[in-house]
Amino acid sequence: QVQLVESGGGVVQPGRSLRLSCAASGFTLRSFGMHWVRQAPGKGLEWVAVVWYDGGEKHYADSVKGRFTISRDNSKNTLDLQMNSLSAEDTAVYYCAREGNGYTYDYWGQGTLVTVSS
Amino acid sequence: QSALTQPASVSGSPGQSITISCTGTSRDVGNYNLVSWYQQHPGKAPRLIIYGVSKWPSAVSNRFSGSKSGNTASLTISGLQAEDEADYYCCSYAGSSNYVFGSGTKVTVL
Repeated sequence: QVQLVESGGGVVQPGRSLRLSCAASGFTLRSFGMHWVRQAPGKGLEWVAVVWYDGGEKHYADSVKGRFTISRDNSKNTLDLQMNSLSAEDTAVYYCAREGNGYTYDYWGQGTLVTVSS
Repeated sequence: QSALTQPASVSGSPGQSITISCTGTSRDVGNYNLVSWYQQHPGKAPRLIIYGVSKWPSAVSNRFSGSKSGNTASLTISGLQAEDEADYYCCSYAGSSNYVFGSGTKVTVL
């Protein structure tokens, strides 16, 4: 069955960096676009970034553009999110999600919590 | 990109039907038939329940139905059940590989 497992979350100081990873299994990763979506504590969902199935294009929400970098390794079935210059506003649970038919998110990981605090 | 507008909360009794609205603009909801809906129980990941405005993923109950008129999409839950108590989010493609979520609606089963 399809599984997405995030890792790499934790507590980080403002201005520092953190790298999240998402391990995919149960499907052929190279056939799907992949996204990161985040949810601040007690708040709604916010789309963060997408990488096309072949890594050919990457797009970011304005709130993270220039600070975050999404990448993928289809040979290792992994998706990453490099987060630089973190601020308290980046505190959230970060989910990786598979893009399904019609620009949807048909499978989600369980999420990894990132807390930016001094 | 501003979040799509949803009511903060909607409630109903078991067996009733409720409708959640999702209002965007002509650049997102109004421009694409690419609205999806997600159900999220506390502490859990979201789950896709409607895509392409009104289509069901496999294994999703047909008590959930979706529609769209102009810049507003809607999710209707028929035959409300206790297990439907959750947060619901709409999402629309907004062009140029951008996506926007709704503000979220808490559904309470009375």
